[in-house]
Amino acid sequence: SYELTQPPSVSVSPGQTARITCSGDALPKQYAYWYQQKPGQAPVLVIYKDSERPSGIPERFSGSSSGTTVTLTISGVQAEDEADYYCQSADSSGTPGVFGGGTKLTVL
Amino acid sequence: QVQLQESGPGLVKPSETLSLTCTVSGGSVSSGSYYWSWIRQPPGKGLEWIGYIYYSGSTNYNPSLKSRVTISVDTSKNQFSLKLSSVTAADTAVYYCARARYNWNPRDYYYYMDVWGKGTTVTVSS
Repeated sequence: SYELTQPPSVSVSPGQTARITCSGDALPKQYAYWYQQKPGQAPVLVIYKDSERPSGIPERFSGSSSGTTVTLTISGVQAEDEADYYCQSADSSGTPGVFGGGTKLTVL
Repeated sequence: QVQLQESGPGLVKPSETLSLTCTVSGGSVSSGSYYWSWIRQPPGKGLEWIGYIYYSGSTNYNPSLKSRVTISVDTSKNQFSLKLSSVTAADTAVYYCARARYNWNPRDYYYYMDVWGKGTTVTVSS
């Protein structure tokens, strides 16, 4: 089955830039989406269609795509950004909801 | 604004069928603009997409669960539902319902969940 690969953890200091990657063979042809999940809460969409930001999401969240890797970038990380982040995309056989394993962002 | 709320038994016995309902408020499941989806998250683990349904009844399921999953929609009640049969302890999870935006045009194909319910915990145990 198709897999999206994320690093298990990323750590940054407040004010620094956090970059979380997601790799998958189908990403050159499929959009990626990013969700933020804080403990005990439902996921929240923070990026859609690789780099679009939903209304209400701070500008410090951005997304980019290059080949088989997509990246979620959080500029000027704040303590409130500490959370798990999941990428989601589609495989090439008609399954639209494939999630990466998630990355725990720690703000030091 | 649209809100989704999951409901159903919090405890299910092994080999039985898990049944959950998602009630949509502030919007309509009959809207052709969205697909209605189920996602789950085992304790301490990541998200797993279960499947979706369109208001017309069209469905798509995760291949790994397809043999045990049924998603249905009741437009008169503005609800959609999940049934998962022959459950085991591995099906213990928080189950989320969500609204998904989509476009199946190959030149601009997308599917993503923009509104989520708060989730409901289901434990499989005797």
